[in-house]
Amino acid sequence: ILNVEQSPQSLHVQEGDSTNFTCSFPSSNFYALHWYRWETAKSPEALFVMTLNGDEKKKGRISATLNTKEGYSYLYIKGSQPEDSATYLCAPYSGAGSYQLTFGKGTKLSVIP
Amino acid sequence: EAQVTQNPRYLITVTGKKLTVTCSQNMNHEYMSWYRQDPGLGLRQIYYSMNVEVTDKGDVPEGYKVSRKEKRNFPLILESPSPNQTSLYFCASSFAAGGSEAFFGQGTRLTVV
Repeated sequence: ILNVEQSPQSLHVQEGDSTNFTCSFPSSNFYALHWYRWETAKSPEALFVMTLNGDEKKKGRISATLNTKEGYSYLYIKGSQPEDSATYLCAPYSGAGSYQLTFGKGTKLSVIP
Repeated sequence: EAQVTQNPRYLITVTGKKLTVTCSQNMNHEYMSWYRQDPGLGLRQIYYSMNVEVTDKGDVPEGYKVSRKEKRNFPLILESPSPNQTSLYFCASSFAAGGSEAFFGQGTRLTVV
């Protein structure tokens, strides 16, 4: 089982603030890193799948960076809106003899109007 | 519309009464998996399947069975449910094991009394 750490566990920000969270994972045997957004009472939805060290991906106001050598990824949200309130999950995939996607416990974001 | 369909959405059952949660995807994905979500523990993988007739245990397989007789279907079977299997269950599918995004079903809220 991969050790995946996400921080912080939860945070509250004001509408319009920018914020970021961290996902830490083992740097050995890395293949891909997934980010998902999970709204209450809905299903997780994919934001990004990242594979290359130094990669940066962007979707609207949300972006993510990846450092495979040190084993971390940052998710950034610029100008948070109430609709960004959700739990953000990361999941590294090693592919080294194990075909499992291991999820972190997530960062729960609440955006206060 | 590309989707993963789980049924039922909600189920209350009694200890020991066999049940099956169905999962079907229409995207011709090879990889399918089952997760359970419990407060404070995040998403944990129960079983996964790389392709038809190829299944393997995830992190918490005890008390569950799966089958993959057709590419589109991946049912989760609880032969003798117990109260500790009360949870929120998600089925997911993806084109490949970890290199592509996972699509999640709507979730099944199971209560075993």
